[in-house]
Amino acid sequence: KQEVTQIPAALSVPEGENLVLNCSFTDSAIYNLQWFRQDPGKGLTSLLLIQSSQREQTSGRLNASLDKSSGRSTLYIAASQPGDSATYLCAPENDYKLSFGAGTTVTVRA
Amino acid sequence: DAEITQSPRHKITETGRQVTLACHQTWNHNNMFWYRQDLGHGLRLIHYSYGVQDTNKGEVSDGYSVSRSNTEDLPLTLESAASSQTSVYFCASSAETRGRYEQYFGPGTRLTVT
Repeated sequence: KQEVTQIPAALSVPEGENLVLNCSFTDSAIYNLQWFRQDPGKGLTSLLLIQSSQREQTSGRLNASLDKSSGRSTLYIAASQPGDSATYLCAPENDYKLSFGAGTTVTVRA
Repeated sequence: DAEITQSPRHKITETGRQVTLACHQTWNHNNMFWYRQDLGHGLRLIHYSYGVQDTNKGEVSDGYSVSRSNTEDLPLTLESAASSQTSVYFCASSAETRGRYEQYFGPGTRLTVT
């Protein structure tokens, strides 16, 4: 059974700081890993998908890295803005199924 | 635009009643999933389907059932609702695109069992 841990559970930073969100998983036989954003009371929005053959993926201010063999992924958000405040979820994929961590709740203070 | 929708968005029901939550996607995705999200547990997989007439149990399937009669829909049925099934339910779908299976989520259904 895939176990996913996200550290830290919560993070509060002033606007402009870079964010580093960590994710670890126990089963390295993954096909993909997705990072999602969830706003309070809302659904999940896919931010990035990294295939197991990739080491990193970038989209705008977001960069995600993947070290499959050690079971780790990191999401970097550059120059944070108050609009980045949300919960970020990491989800490795095994056999087309996602397993989720509890998430990191980010607050960016103006 | 293609999308995934869930209905109802909010539902209050009584213990023991049968409840069906609808999920409809217009992407023609083969894979569809149901998750529940609870504080302290994150998202957990209830049931999933890889195509028409295919259904499989996930991590927390007791008390739930699904059926897949077409590509677009995967309804989730609570046979006899219990207070422990009060939760937010998310439907998702995916298909292969250039070697990637990216999952897309619906807006969720908030279910309260009284």
